[in-house]
Amino acid sequence: DTGVSQNPRHKITKRGQNVTFRCDPISEHNRLYWYRQTLGQGPEFLTYFQNEAQLEKSRLLSDRFSAERPKGSFSTLEIQRTEQGDSAMYLCASSLWGGVGNQPQHFGDGTRLSIL
Amino acid sequence: AQTVTQSQPEMSVQEAETVTLSCTYDTSENNYYLFWYKQPPSRQMILVIRQEAYKQQNATENRFSVNFQKAAKSFSLKISDSQLGDTAMYFCAFMKAGGGADGLTFGKGTHLIIQP
Repeated sequence: DTGVSQNPRHKITKRGQNVTFRCDPISEHNRLYWYRQTLGQGPEFLTYFQNEAQLEKSRLLSDRFSAERPKGSFSTLEIQRTEQGDSAMYLCASSLWGGVGNQPQHFGDGTRLSIL
Repeated sequence: AQTVTQSQPEMSVQEAETVTLSCTYDTSENNYYLFWYKQPPSRQMILVIRQEAYKQQNATENRFSVNFQKAAKSFSLKISDSQLGDTAMYFCAFMKAGGGADGLTFGKGTHLIIQP
């Protein structure tokens, strides 16, 4: 168990640029979640995948955001035309679902996005 | 929609003391999970303890225990014999059970400081 891995750890970009983050979940986990955490707040759910299928999207996920999990393993989260309000920590989590029901989510270290 | 409320933004106790963190939640669901997560400064979110709503017995994990009051929708965390390493943000979180479950709903967190 190598844990959930997120890259990059930090991303600084100018407003209007596109950014992409990657998450590698724990290998046997079939569910993968994306959250956004702003300073002084708890994480907010964005979206989740079961295997390669995206099953739920929050209202927070505007049209500028897109997430994929093409082979049911790693996932990418892309933000197009970044805005100041996108500055946050983006957290990825994974869990094993099925048989024994919901198992706890394990989180990565996050990617901190700063928009200049 | 679910909501999670943590009414204590910050708490400070002396090492070896016992501390209780409060959490209340609101939901119309009957079957769900509750969690406490710990987020040390600049480090990843770690699961502390988990409670299934259908279980009446309160969960315990070593020095950590919960007081789950389903009718009152209350889920407090007690840390016994507190240690310096317990200093962190603590988040209470809710998750619906079942195959259609979406992500975790977090509270705003309580910053716990353990003083030497």
